[in-house]
Amino acid sequence: KAGVTQTPRYLIKTRGQQVTLSCSPISGHRSVSWYQQTPGQGLQFLFEYFSETQRNKGNFPGRFSGRQFSNSRSEMNVSTLELGDSALYLCASSPGGDSLYSNQPQHFGDGTRLSIL
Amino acid sequence: KNQVEQSPQSLIILEGKNCTLQCNYTVSPFSNLRWYKQDTGRGPVSLTIMTFSENTKSNGRYTATLDADTKQSSLHITASQLSDSASYICVVRVYGQNFVFGPGTRLSVLP
Repeated sequence: KAGVTQTPRYLIKTRGQQVTLSCSPISGHRSVSWYQQTPGQGLQFLFEYFSETQRNKGNFPGRFSGRQFSNSRSEMNVSTLELGDSALYLCASSPGGDSLYSNQPQHFGDGTRLSIL
Repeated sequence: KNQVEQSPQSLIILEGKNCTLQCNYTVSPFSNLRWYKQDTGRGPVSLTIMTFSENTKSNGRYTATLDADTKQSSLHITASQLSDSASYICVVRVYGQNFVFGPGTRLSVLP
């Protein structure tokens, strides 16, 4: 079974630009979560999607948005990029359902390394 | 405020030795506690998941313990291998909500 796939693996952008990151979950998984990881802040939750609906959201500005498609694939968009957005962006999938209350493991992709110049 | 702390920040041990990593949390309401291993440049990989009623769980050479009364967890690694060199992240799920991540412990295993 293929794991979680994130594309691209590396991305370089300049301030003010926007970027779209893609995540393909494990087949059959309906929940997709996005995280930002930086050396200073560690892992921080961005948002979670289940069945094309945003179910949960972290404390990030509105420049960070996402969506999920009917095949459970998800995209994350960051507009008006800032230097502080440089980070590893991780996507994780789980089977879904009542995952907010469940003990299902999350399966992470290897992330997209975003560098802002 | 929901918070997860880990100690030590970093640890160096010799191959074959055992080690224990610590995690303290103040999260409410508590759902479950997870330990992840993250190799450099890779995404985290789940090692164990424990609920309130579980106080120990093993995954090969990894054994996690949970004391829900003191809100402490530990991850014990037995007979360390070079491949154990990684960051180990303690994560607590807030019931019905999202996750709270610890800062991680960076483990280096030397030959």
